[in-house]
Amino acid sequence: QQQVKQSPQSLIVQKGGISIINCAYENTAFDYFPWYQQFPGKGPALLIAIRPDVSEKKEGRFTISFNKSAKQFSLHIMDSQPGDSATYFCAASKSGGSNYKLTFGKGTLLTVNP
Amino acid sequence: GAVVSQHPSWVICKSGTSVKIECRSLDFQATTMFWYRQFPKQSLMLMATSNEGSKATYEQGVEKDKFLINHASLTLSTLTVTSAHPEDSSFYICSIPRTAVAYYGYTFGSGTRLTVV
Repeated sequence: QQQVKQSPQSLIVQKGGISIINCAYENTAFDYFPWYQQFPGKGPALLIAIRPDVSEKKEGRFTISFNKSAKQFSLHIMDSQPGDSATYFCAASKSGGSNYKLTFGKGTLLTVNP
Repeated sequence: GAVVSQHPSWVICKSGTSVKIECRSLDFQATTMFWYRQFPKQSLMLMATSNEGSKATYEQGVEKDKFLINHASLTLSTLTVTSAHPEDSSFYICSIPRTAVAYYGYTFGSGTRLTVV
């Protein structure tokens, strides 16, 4: 059972455009929703994260939108740049004890054309 | 987040041999570390949770005897792939949660590319 569903699988955007990646989760106990950026041959790096008590969080060109009732959250990359070309993973976890391991989406390969 | 050092970054070994991968927390005492496996163009799959001073907790379907985890100190966890076979070739990544509270985030190592020939 896939607890976090991510779409699209791949995305091509022109430089300066907006990249949008969507995720949906099933477990209502999840209370931490991070996005990771991964370049080939490297480990994932935290991009931005949100908790369910807010509906939006913005850091620079990156914004997370969160819809608790729909159990969905999305990543928006404004003014996309070729350097943003990477694989993006959404994830979710629930805090506390040994249950805080991350569940990842399947990833989105983003290509930003110059 | 915590500073994580993973070593080696890549390793090639012969089928039947064992390989050890180290994950070090450089600035944080990590009672828990996570080990992931990632196949090309796929997501990260949690293999096991490494607990300092106690046995690791393995995810369903992960062979405990093949993937030995040792978390002997608050700064070091090791993953040993025993009797490696070509199907064990993969990208292995460790992760350290900053605290027991998820909000403070997780830091990932740079990964180890294992190729078994």
